[in-house]
Amino acid sequence: GAGVSQTPSNKVTEKGKYVELRCDPISGHTALYWYRQSLGQGPEFLIYFQGTGAADDSGLPNDRFFAVRPEGSVSTLKIQRTERGDSAVYLCASSKTGVGGYTFGSGTRLTVV
Amino acid sequence: SQQGEEDPQALSIQEGENATMNCSYKTSINNLQWYRQNSGRGLVHLILIRSNEREKHSGRLRVTLDTSKKSSSLLITASRAADTASYFCATVPENSGGSNYKLTFGKGTLLTVNP
Repeated sequence: GAGVSQTPSNKVTEKGKYVELRCDPISGHTALYWYRQSLGQGPEFLIYFQGTGAADDSGLPNDRFFAVRPEGSVSTLKIQRTERGDSAVYLCASSKTGVGGYTFGSGTRLTVV
Repeated sequence: SQQGEEDPQALSIQEGENATMNCSYKTSINNLQWYRQNSGRGLVHLILIRSNEREKHSGRLRVTLDTSKKSSSLLITASRAADTASYFCATVPENSGGSNYKLTFGKGTLLTVNP
C-alpha cells in the first residue's frame, strides 16, 4: 500500500483480556518495527523484524508481549493478560533496509480499563 | 531508555518567526533523525543527518549536528500554523553488533505556531 496501515486505530479492552494489533507495512519493505509511546514520552523500541524473523526483541517489556510476521509482510503484536500500564499508542514502522528514515503508521491507541 | 533530550520542552511563536529546537544525546551515533508528530499519532520523518555531516537543508528545515558536543538543532524558518506539532529527535547508534537500526527517541518539543 501507499503507507503503513495499522488497525484498529483505537482499542479499549478490559484488564486481563488478550489483544492483537495489526500492522500492514509498505509493500517491499523488509524491515518492520514496533514502538510504544506513553503519554508525554517519545516512542520506545519494542521489536524489529527483518523479513519473517524477529531480529531483535529486546524491547518487549515482558513475556506477555509477543509479535509475529509469518510471511514477511503483515505483523501482529499480541498482548496477553493486559494491564492498565499497557495503555499507550503502539506504533509500527517499516523501511527498505535496516538503516535510514522510517515510515510510521498512525498507531493504535490501546486503553486498558 | 531515552537517549535524546529535546530542548525546550515547549515553544510558542508567531507565524512567520523562526523556531529552533535542540537535541542532546549520550552515545556515539551512526545518524540522527528528526520526526514530526501531530496529535500524538503517526510520526513523519523530516530529515536524516549522518555522523560525518554537519548541516543539511530540506525546504524550510535546517538541521545541524555537532558530534563533539553530542547535539543537534532543528531550525524551521518562516513558520506556519500548520507547523504546530511535536518534534522528536531520534538517534541510531554507531554500528556495533548490528544494532544500527534501533531508533532511540527523546521526549520531544511541542511547537505551537500562533496565526
